[in-house]
Amino acid sequence: GQSLEQPSEVTAVEGAIVQINCTYQTSGFYGLSWYQQHDGGAPTFLSYNALDGLEETGRFSSFLSRSDSYGYLLLQELQMKDSASYFCAVQTGANNLFFGTGTRLTVIP
Amino acid sequence: SQTIHQWPATLVQPVGSPLSLECTVEGTSNPNLYWYRQAAGRGLQLLFYSVGIGQISSEVPQNLSASRPQDRQFILSSKKLLLSDSGFYLCAWSVPGTGGGYTFGSGTRLTVV
Repeated sequence: GQSLEQPSEVTAVEGAIVQINCTYQTSGFYGLSWYQQHDGGAPTFLSYNALDGLEETGRFSSFLSRSDSYGYLLLQELQMKDSASYFCAVQTGANNLFFGTGTRLTVIP
Repeated sequence: SQTIHQWPATLVQPVGSPLSLECTVEGTSNPNLYWYRQAAGRGLQLLFYSVGIGQISSEVPQNLSASRPQDRQFILSSKKLLLSDSGFYLCAWSVPGTGGGYTFGSGTRLTVV
């Protein structure tokens, strides 16, 4: 089976940096993805890591350590609009993407 | 550009009634298609995926079924809804052979009463 763990809630100040961690246990592993979901909306794709290391896309960065079964999403220069739920998701096969339960990020002034 | 359409946006159905949710993708060929369900405040649960017309894989045994009658059309159905079928249903597509980057439709919020 698969299991993913991420914090349920995180609060951070506008302009600050926040890191959302994700640990996983899966029977197969192709890569780790991150998605953002605003209340009532659909998830939107942020990043994908198949290899160890850091991927940077603007204010967002994602890191993967396959040996530690661990990854994180780093959000810099937080803005109020970043308040949302963030999901890590493990691709366990060519067509299987399994999601964690999500981290609700609240950005405060 | 590719777009994904999902309808209806909201649906209230009585227990025991049938269900049909439709999803279509435009601007791409032979996409992988997926149905996910999200319970309130929870993560996304993969229900079905399809790699081609008529090819359906079920991840969770349940009261639902899926069909892919055309390359870019994916349908989620039930013959008799249960209260536990309530949730936010999301269709998604991806390019075969690529990693992790799914594009989701806007979702259908189903309430079974």
